[in-house]
Amino acid sequence: GAGVSQSPSNKVTEKGKDVELRCDPISGHTALYWYRQSLGQGLEFLIYFQGNSAPDKSGLPSDRFSAERTGGSVSTLTIQRTQQEDSAVYLCASSLVGLAIGELFFGEGSRLTVL
Amino acid sequence: DQQVKQNSPSLSVQEGRISILNCDYTNSMFDYFLWYKKYPAEGPTFLISISSIKDKNEDGRFTVFLNKSAKHLSLHIVPSQPGDSAVYFCAASGGTDKLIFGTGTRLQVFP
Repeated sequence: GAGVSQSPSNKVTEKGKDVELRCDPISGHTALYWYRQSLGQGLEFLIYFQGNSAPDKSGLPSDRFSAERTGGSVSTLTIQRTQQEDSAVYLCASSLVGLAIGELFFGEGSRLTVL
Repeated sequence: DQQVKQNSPSLSVQEGRISILNCDYTNSMFDYFLWYKKYPAEGPTFLISISSIKDKNEDGRFTVFLNKSAKHLSLHIVPSQPGDSAVYFCAASGGTDKLIFGTGTRLQVFP
């Protein structure tokens, strides 16, 4: 597809379980971002990958959150031992080089519900 | 610490009139600002941007104004159309590719 693809679109899990969310960026985009939107909140930055540079993890809320990007393309966001406050829409975005050149293209998000 | 603030959670405007969405920021290092639009169950889409070297950028019905001394920007939509009904996010960055978003303003344009 031409856009950013995220899966699953919806995930319901029990508290304490681990979840993995996947993002397929637009082909050729070197930058990849994860954001989340909790109910009634704005878009909260989580992590940013740019090429082969070390990722900017400054937005990850706790050590239960981790992300990796394999081969400079697909990214997986992992949440271990999920808590109810992790319930949110997790949005992935990619961009061509950086903001000076292009803007972020977002996927439709993965809605996570922790019971 | 909310570095980008959108103090109006919602705005209702009649079709054909002007919509003005406001955004304030606290970080003086921010030098690039964007507006995104989000429909329900979709990801945000880019609308318009402005660099700190400008104070105005226009694209069709959309104009963004930047007041650096006040650390304030606004998005004007004129004339407003029902299809403009969405949540609008202001975003900013400064020297990095990391975008900091506001909490959003829900715009409703009624006939």
